[in-house]
Amino acid sequence: DADVTQTPRNRITKTGKRIMLECSQTKGHDRMYWYRQDPGLGLRLIYYSFDVKDINKGEISDGYSVSRQAQAKFSLSLESAIPNQTALYFCATSDPPGTSSYNEQFFGPGTRLTVL
Amino acid sequence: SQKIEQNSEALNIQEGKTATLTCNYTNYSPAYLQWYRQDPGRGPVFLLLIRENEKEKRKERLKVTFDTTLKQSLFHITASQPADSATYLCALISGGSYIPTFGRGTSLIVHP
Repeated sequence: DADVTQTPRNRITKTGKRIMLECSQTKGHDRMYWYRQDPGLGLRLIYYSFDVKDINKGEISDGYSVSRQAQAKFSLSLESAIPNQTALYFCATSDPPGTSSYNEQFFGPGTRLTVL
Repeated sequence: SQKIEQNSEALNIQEGKTATLTCNYTNYSPAYLQWYRQDPGRGPVFLLLIRENEKEKRKERLKVTFDTTLKQSLFHITASQPADSATYLCALISGGSYIPTFGRGTSLIVHP
């Protein structure tokens, strides 16, 4: 089974709709991240969480919100989707500093979101 | 402002040759630099990490160099194979939060 899973894998929605993307991990990592990837722009950080009670905005958080329901679950919401939020969204996890693999990020398979 | 540059043009090489990809950065003092591989429609996969005080790191057919004076990392794949065809991302990590900032990636195409 995959260590980091994302649902849905593909989603088409309309402008103004609320949508939630979900991420689950079985790696036992405290740190979780949401990125979006656009052609030519690379991966950009939306939100990150270092533990269940710690949520932080990333580079491009406007229009997004997150919820860390448990150590293993981190959800990304678009309250009112707009077309320029069409992108590939990735969840990632990592260990904290001081652990053997703390600088390695483990990515999920991605969610392809289209906002019409 | 901080900037990470990777060649946006695809690198085309013949099977068996050495592929060399470049990552340049400005206004950055990274403690670490990483390289990831990304296949179409999939999440990036970590390959190698090199620390600021390391000049070179190797893993099987992969070699990474890190020159903090030139502000550049080179990523080499020796004896390249068509299966090495993918996009390769570099990522810089500063001390503190240890969150990587990614470059846009360079596509490598290895022709049989």
